[in-house]
Amino acid sequence: NAGVTQTPKFRILKIGQSMTLQCTQDMNHNYMYWYRQDPGMGLKLIYYSVGAGITDKGEVPNGYNVSRSTTEDFPLRLELAAPSQTSVYFCASSYRSSGGAGNEQFFGPGTRLTVL
Amino acid sequence: TQLLEQSPQFLSIQEGENLTVYCNSSSVFSSLQWYRQEPGEGPVLLVTVVTGGEVKKLKRLTFQFGDARKDSSLHITAAQPGDTGLYLCAGVQTGANNLFFGTGTRLTVIP
Repeated sequence: NAGVTQTPKFRILKIGQSMTLQCTQDMNHNYMYWYRQDPGMGLKLIYYSVGAGITDKGEVPNGYNVSRSTTEDFPLRLELAAPSQTSVYFCASSYRSSGGAGNEQFFGPGTRLTVL
Repeated sequence: TQLLEQSPQFLSIQEGENLTVYCNSSSVFSSLQWYRQEPGEGPVLLVTVVTGGEVKKLKRLTFQFGDARKDSSLHITAAQPGDTGLYLCAGVQTGANNLFFGTGTRLTVIP
């Protein structure tokens, strides 16, 4: 199993450009998550999904959109990139919802995005 | 404001020393997890604690969940260079589904 894969690994955008960060998991997990990690700030939840066709906002959803058409894929869309979106983005998946023994989140390797 | 505050933010110690990392909040959590993250990679789960006062051991790492389920600690005995990394605590508030991550503690163990 590849686990959680993310593409691209690195990307530089100009202000106002758009892009989609791809995330795929092959563990048949229902739950998927997008986080951003800023220096010294830990991870903050952007969006999450509890299954195909169902998504919900996290702590910092503004400026992002998501879709979940299949169990495997959970792309994150930036419509109008801004410098404040410079960050490292992590996708994660879990078999069940967070919390409780055994409800581990599996993370991808991350996408480092710079907006200039 | 951060829901979970970790201290210290940075820690640099010599191989063989002991250390403790703290994760504190004013909120109650139904469970708390500790992750370790290495440069260029995503976090990897170390342990989950779910009961107030619970203590779990993972080789040289000891994790404790506070009695009131508002805080947690990670103690490492005889630190090794392989322990170097970013340690993150993450908690689920009672009635919620999402993990809130702490600010992280960056540990460097010098050979």
